[in-house]
Amino acid sequence: DQQVKQNSPSLSVQEGRISILNCDYTNSMFDYFLWYKKYPAEGPTFLISISSIKDKNEDGRFTVFLNKSAKHLSLHIVPSQPGDSAVYFCAASGGGGTSYGKLTFGQGTILTVHP
Amino acid sequence: SQTIHQWPATLVQPVGSPLSLECTVEGTSNPNLYWYRQAAGRGLQLLFYSVGIGQISSEVPQNLSASRPQDRQFILSSKKLLLSDSGFYLCAWSWGDHGNEKLFFGSGTQLSVL
Repeated sequence: DQQVKQNSPSLSVQEGRISILNCDYTNSMFDYFLWYKKYPAEGPTFLISISSIKDKNEDGRFTVFLNKSAKHLSLHIVPSQPGDSAVYFCAASGGGGTSYGKLTFGQGTILTVHP
Repeated sequence: SQTIHQWPATLVQPVGSPLSLECTVEGTSNPNLYWYRQAAGRGLQLLFYSVGIGQISSEVPQNLSASRPQDRQFILSSKKLLLSDSGFYLCAWSWGDHGNEKLFFGSGTQLSVL
């Protein structure tokens, strides 16, 4: 049962344009969402997060949008740069009670930004 | 600042051999510790987590086990590896239980079981 889904395995974007990565979830108890970025042979690094009490969080070129009614979140990167090329994972936590930071991850989307 | 060390970076093991992967965290005390695995073409799956010394919770039934002999040390083990144990193993830590913890990952171990 995949509770967090990233339905696009890959995305290709031209440098300077916007990259939009999408994520859907099924568990309505999730209340905290994160995006991680991963380069090959490295561990994921935290990028940006959003609490369920918000619908938008912005950090520099990165903005995460949350649509609770649709159980959908997206990551916008503007402008995209070649160094942004990596695998992006969506993750969620919560579900009531003690979570201790246990995250449920999506399958990841490979972003390629062409010069 | 906090750092997490995980080794080895790569490992090739024959089927039926034992496994021991080690992870240590520096610069924090009483962290929550995690082992995740990324199988080829799949997302990150939580295998084990620990909120204290000797406290291990398993998320999925499997051929692996975990131990936390010291506050900042987390070990992933197997007595006999299976082909299906191949994957990219990640150790991670977080702190607290306030519902908005971020995980900080190690650099990972690529395990190939042949």
